[in-house]
Amino acid sequence: ETGVTQTPRHLVMGMTNKKSLKCEQHLGHNAMYWYKQSAKKPLELMFVYNFKEQTENNSVPSRFSPECPNSSHLFLHLHTLQPEDSALYLCASSQETASRTDTQYFGPGTRLTVL
Amino acid sequence: AQSVTQLDSQVPVFEEAPVELRCNYSSSVSVYLFWYVQYPNQGLQLLLKYLSGSTLVKGINGFEAEFNKSQTSFHLRKPSVHISDTAEYFCAVSDHKLGYQKVTFGIGTKLQVIP
Repeated sequence: ETGVTQTPRHLVMGMTNKKSLKCEQHLGHNAMYWYKQSAKKPLELMFVYNFKEQTENNSVPSRFSPECPNSSHLFLHLHTLQPEDSALYLCASSQETASRTDTQYFGPGTRLTVL
Repeated sequence: AQSVTQLDSQVPVFEEAPVELRCNYSSSVSVYLFWYVQYPNQGLQLLLKYLSGSTLVKGINGFEAEFNKSQTSFHLRKPSVHISDTAEYFCAVSDHKLGYQKVTFGIGTKLQVIP
């Protein structure tokens, strides 16, 4: 496997279900990101992890719970979602230093449908 | 605060014709600019980026963009498009915070190449 992988690619869940999205990066990066992509809206940054520490939570509802057990893996735990949470969820990673920024590499996304 | 405006939501163009996708930005700090492409059912892929140096940036698949500081623009161009260029294109501006990027994306421009 190369780059950034995400599983599952498609997920349908009821509002009372609990599910998790998984992201894995094989690039040796130190920062990982969750984005939400909804129709007719810009990509929304949800969470950022740097060296496994959460550095940004962009006012995301608590029904979304991220987990970063190590610098290569990132999870998004989902619980009691709403239909408006249906979207494409994208994971990304980048290599960051104190003085330099670099490209974010994106996974293919998980298409989530909440019934 | 930073923002990105993509002025055209859809751009139809005939095959082998030139195309320009427009992007204007605002940022209060040093500017890092990106263009990403998203093919159907896929994640975002970097086309090109401007971090510093020459204002004309060349990317993959024959695309290029010019950074114009006075007009706060970063328009994407290709002299001759192919059917395979049909996709959605996102302009983005990055603010490098300590340890990670805070990237603001535009709403996207759908490029439709007509045979």
